[in-house]
Amino acid sequence: QKEVEQNSGPLSVPEGAIASLNCTYSDRVSQSFFWYRQYSGKSPELIMSIYSNGDKEDGRFTAQLNKASQYVSLLIRDSQPSDSATYLCAVLTGGFKTIFGAGTRLFVKA
Amino acid sequence: EAGVTQFPSHSVIEKGQTVTLRCDPISGHDNLYWYRRVMGKEIKFLLHFVKESKQDESGMPNNRFLAERTGGTYSTLKVQPAELEDSGVYFCASSQFSDKYFGPGTRLTVL
Repeated sequence: QKEVEQNSGPLSVPEGAIASLNCTYSDRVSQSFFWYRQYSGKSPELIMSIYSNGDKEDGRFTAQLNKASQYVSLLIRDSQPSDSATYLCAVLTGGFKTIFGAGTRLFVKA
Repeated sequence: EAGVTQFPSHSVIEKGQTVTLRCDPISGHDNLYWYRRVMGKEIKFLLHFVKESKQDESGMPNNRFLAERTGGTYSTLKVQPAELEDSGVYFCASSQFSDKYFGPGTRLTVL
Protein backbone atom coordinates (compact mmCIF):
# COMPACT_ATOMS: atom_id res chain seq x y z
CA GLN A 1 0.00 0.00 0.00
CA LYS A 2 1.33 3.41 -0.92
CA GLU A 3 1.71 5.89 1.91
CA VAL A 4 -0.36 8.51 0.09
CA GLU A 5 -2.81 7.41 -2.58
CA GLN A 6 -4.62 9.46 -5.15
CA ASN A 7 -6.63 8.52 -8.20
CA SER A 8 -4.41 9.52 -11.12
CA GLY A 9 -7.39 10.55 -13.23
CA PRO A 10 -7.82 12.33 -15.46
CA LEU A 11 -10.84 13.83 -13.78
CA SER A 12 -12.88 15.80 -16.29
CA VAL A 13 -15.55 18.28 -15.20
CA PRO A 14 -17.45 20.96 -17.10
CA GLU A 15 -16.80 24.60 -16.40
CA GLY A 16 -18.79 25.80 -13.41
CA ALA A 17 -19.09 22.37 -11.83
CA ILE A 18 -17.60 21.16 -8.56
CA ALA A 19 -14.40 19.15 -8.87
CA SER A 20 -13.79 16.67 -6.05
CA LEU A 21 -10.28 15.34 -5.50
CA ASN A 22 -9.59 12.60 -2.99
CA CYS A 23 -6.59 11.33 -1.10
CA THR A 24 -6.01 8.59 1.47
CA TYR A 25 -2.96 8.09 3.65
CA SER A 26 -1.60 5.23 5.68
CA ASP A 27 0.24 6.82 8.61
CA ARG A 28 -2.34 7.22 11.39
CA VAL A 29 -0.28 9.74 13.32
CA SER A 30 0.00 12.16 10.41
CA GLN A 31 -0.96 15.66 11.52
CA SER A 32 -0.56 18.01 8.59
CA PHE A 33 -2.06 17.76 5.14
CA PHE A 34 -1.49 19.84 2.05
CA TRP A 35 -2.85 20.28 -1.43
CA TYR A 36 -0.56 21.51 -4.16
CA ARG A 37 -1.45 22.50 -7.70
CA GLN A 38 1.09 21.82 -10.42
CA TYR A 39 0.74 23.10 -13.94
CA SER A 40 2.57 21.19 -16.62
CA GLY A 41 6.27 21.99 -16.52
CA LYS A 42 5.92 24.17 -13.43
CA SER A 43 6.64 23.70 -9.74
CA PRO A 44 4.04 22.61 -7.16
CA GLU A 45 2.16 25.57 -5.69
CA LEU A 46 0.68 25.28 -2.21
CA ILE A 47 -3.03 26.05 -2.32
CA MET A 48 -4.39 24.62 0.93
CA SER A 49 -3.17 23.22 4.21
CA ILE A 50 -5.36 21.58 6.83
CA TYR A 51 -4.49 20.30 10.28
CA SER A 52 -7.74 19.41 12.07
CA ASN A 53 -10.82 17.39 11.24
CA GLY A 54 -13.56 19.12 9.32
CA ASP A 55 -13.66 21.61 6.50
CA LYS A 56 -11.44 24.54 5.68
CA GLU A 57 -12.55 26.99 3.04
CA ASP A 58 -10.48 29.45 1.05
CA GLY A 59 -12.27 31.11 -1.82
CA ARG A 60 -13.42 28.46 -4.27
CA PHE A 61 -11.37 25.78 -2.51
CA THR A 62 -12.51 23.63 0.40
CA ALA A 63 -10.26 21.06 2.03
CA GLN A 64 -11.90 18.32 4.08
CA LEU A 65 -10.08 16.14 6.58
CA ASN A 66 -11.28 12.97 8.30
CA LYS A 67 -8.47 11.53 10.41
CA ALA A 68 -10.53 8.54 11.54
CA SER A 69 -10.94 7.47 7.92
CA GLN A 70 -7.44 8.71 6.98
CA TYR A 71 -8.96 10.69 4.17
CA VAL A 72 -8.44 14.21 2.89
CA SER A 73 -10.21 15.82 -0.04
CA LEU A 74 -10.19 19.04 -2.02
CA LEU A 75 -13.32 20.53 -3.52
CA ILE A 76 -13.09 23.19 -6.19
CA ARG A 77 -16.32 25.09 -6.69
CA ASP A 78 -17.22 26.88 -9.93
CA SER A 79 -14.37 25.12 -11.73
CA GLN A 80 -12.61 27.16 -14.38
CA PRO A 81 -10.47 26.03 -17.32
CA SER A 82 -7.53 27.68 -15.54
CA ASP A 83 -7.96 25.12 -12.74
CA SER A 84 -6.84 22.40 -15.14
CA ALA A 85 -3.67 21.03 -13.59
CA THR A 86 -2.34 18.15 -11.55
CA TYR A 87 -3.31 18.31 -7.88
CA LEU A 88 -0.89 16.77 -5.43
CA CYS A 89 -1.87 15.61 -1.98
CA ALA A 90 0.96 15.76 0.57
CA VAL A 91 1.03 14.42 4.10
CA LEU A 92 3.43 15.24 6.90
CA THR A 93 3.83 11.88 8.55
CA GLY A 94 4.52 11.01 12.14
CA GLY A 95 8.16 10.70 11.15
CA PHE A 96 8.15 14.38 10.13
CA LYS A 97 8.58 13.52 6.50
CA THR A 98 6.34 14.93 3.77
CA ILE A 99 5.07 12.23 1.46
CA PHE A 100 3.47 13.14 -1.83
CA GLY A 101 0.79 11.31 -3.74
CA ALA A 102 1.24 10.76 -7.45
CA GLY A 103 -1.30 13.48 -8.22
CA THR A 104 -4.68 13.68 -9.89
CA ARG A 105 -4.95 15.34 -13.28
CA LEU A 106 -7.95 17.64 -13.54
CA PHE A 107 -9.41 18.88 -16.81
CA VAL A 108 -12.04 21.58 -16.74
CA LYS A 109 -13.87 21.76 -20.05
CA ALA A 110 -15.01 25.15 -21.27
CA GLU B 1 9.09 38.84 -1.39
CA ALA B 2 11.17 36.61 -3.65
CA GLY B 3 10.24 32.96 -3.79
CA VAL B 4 12.47 29.93 -3.88
CA THR B 5 14.83 30.08 -6.83
CA GLN B 6 16.78 27.31 -8.48
CA PHE B 7 19.59 27.26 -10.98
CA PRO B 8 19.91 26.06 -13.64
CA SER B 9 16.42 25.51 -14.97
CA HIS B 10 17.64 22.79 -17.31
CA SER B 11 20.79 20.74 -17.48
CA VAL B 12 21.74 18.15 -20.06
CA ILE B 13 24.87 16.15 -19.31
CA GLU B 14 26.44 12.90 -20.32
CA LYS B 15 26.66 9.86 -18.12
CA GLY B 16 29.69 10.09 -15.90
CA GLN B 17 29.78 13.86 -15.76
CA THR B 18 29.19 16.00 -12.70
CA VAL B 19 26.35 18.45 -12.21
CA THR B 20 25.70 20.88 -9.38
CA LEU B 21 22.25 22.26 -8.73
CA ARG B 22 21.66 25.34 -6.63
CA CYS B 23 18.72 26.40 -4.52
CA ASP B 24 18.13 29.76 -2.86
CA PRO B 25 15.34 29.48 -0.29
CA ILE B 26 12.95 32.19 0.78
CA SER B 27 14.81 34.59 3.04
CA GLY B 28 14.37 33.67 6.69
CA HIS B 29 13.32 30.08 6.05
CA ASP B 30 15.41 27.77 8.19
CA ASN B 31 14.11 24.61 6.56
CA LEU B 32 15.31 23.64 3.11
CA TYR B 33 14.31 20.46 1.31
CA TRP B 34 15.38 18.70 -1.84
CA TYR B 35 12.93 16.52 -3.76
CA ARG B 36 13.12 14.66 -7.05
CA ARG B 37 10.44 13.65 -9.49
CA VAL B 38 11.32 11.00 -12.00
CA MET B 39 8.97 10.93 -14.98
CA GLY B 40 5.69 9.26 -14.16
CA LYS B 41 6.52 8.84 -10.48
CA GLU B 42 5.68 10.67 -7.28
CA ILE B 43 7.74 13.50 -5.92
CA LYS B 44 10.27 11.83 -3.65
CA PHE B 45 11.99 13.34 -0.65
CA LEU B 46 15.78 13.50 -0.79
CA LEU B 47 16.86 15.45 2.24
CA HIS B 48 16.07 18.18 4.72
CA PHE B 49 18.30 20.90 6.12
CA VAL B 50 17.58 22.92 9.21
CA LYS B 51 19.82 25.92 8.78
CA GLU B 52 23.19 24.41 7.85
CA SER B 53 22.58 21.01 9.45
CA LYS B 54 21.28 17.93 7.69
CA GLN B 55 18.15 16.98 9.63
CA ASP B 56 17.23 14.01 7.49
CA GLU B 57 19.05 12.63 4.45
CA SER B 58 17.31 9.28 4.35
CA GLY B 59 15.98 9.91 0.85
CA MET B 60 19.35 10.36 -0.81
CA PRO B 61 19.62 7.55 -3.36
CA ASN B 62 23.32 6.78 -2.95
CA ASN B 63 26.70 8.34 -2.29
CA ARG B 64 26.87 9.89 -5.74
CA PHE B 65 24.63 12.62 -4.34
CA LEU B 66 26.08 15.27 -2.06
CA ALA B 67 24.12 18.17 -0.62
CA GLU B 68 25.51 21.14 1.24
CA ARG B 69 24.13 24.25 2.83
CA THR B 70 27.08 26.26 3.99
CA GLY B 71 26.12 29.16 6.21
CA GLY B 72 22.51 28.08 6.29
CA THR B 73 21.54 30.10 3.23
CA TYR B 74 21.60 28.59 -0.24
CA SER B 75 22.09 24.90 -0.87
CA THR B 76 23.79 22.89 -3.56
CA LEU B 77 23.12 19.34 -4.68
CA LYS B 78 25.94 17.70 -6.57
CA VAL B 79 25.61 14.50 -8.55
CA GLN B 80 28.93 12.86 -9.31
CA PRO B 81 29.19 10.83 -11.47
CA ALA B 82 25.74 11.15 -13.01
CA GLU B 83 23.91 8.05 -14.21
CA LEU B 84 21.00 7.70 -16.63
CA GLU B 85 18.53 7.01 -13.83
CA ASP B 86 19.32 10.35 -12.22
CA SER B 87 17.30 12.12 -14.90
CA GLY B 88 14.27 13.93 -13.55
CA VAL B 89 13.15 17.20 -12.09
CA TYR B 90 14.86 18.26 -8.88
CA PHE B 91 12.78 20.53 -6.72
CA CYS B 92 13.90 22.56 -3.79
CA ALA B 93 11.44 23.79 -1.18
CA SER B 94 11.76 25.94 1.90
CA SER B 95 9.61 26.54 4.94
CA GLN B 96 9.63 28.30 8.26
CA PHE B 97 6.95 26.06 9.73
CA SER B 98 4.83 23.42 8.00
CA ASP B 99 3.92 25.11 4.73
CA LYS B 100 6.53 24.36 2.10
CA TYR B 101 7.11 26.61 -0.89
CA PHE B 102 8.64 25.07 -3.95
CA GLY B 103 11.12 26.42 -6.40
CA PRO B 104 10.65 26.06 -10.15
CA GLY B 105 12.80 22.97 -10.30
CA THR B 106 15.82 21.93 -12.32
CA ARG B 107 15.17 19.48 -15.12
CA LEU B 108 18.17 17.18 -15.34
CA THR B 109 18.69 14.99 -18.35
CA VAL B 110 21.52 12.47 -18.32
CA LEU B 111 22.34 11.05 -21.75
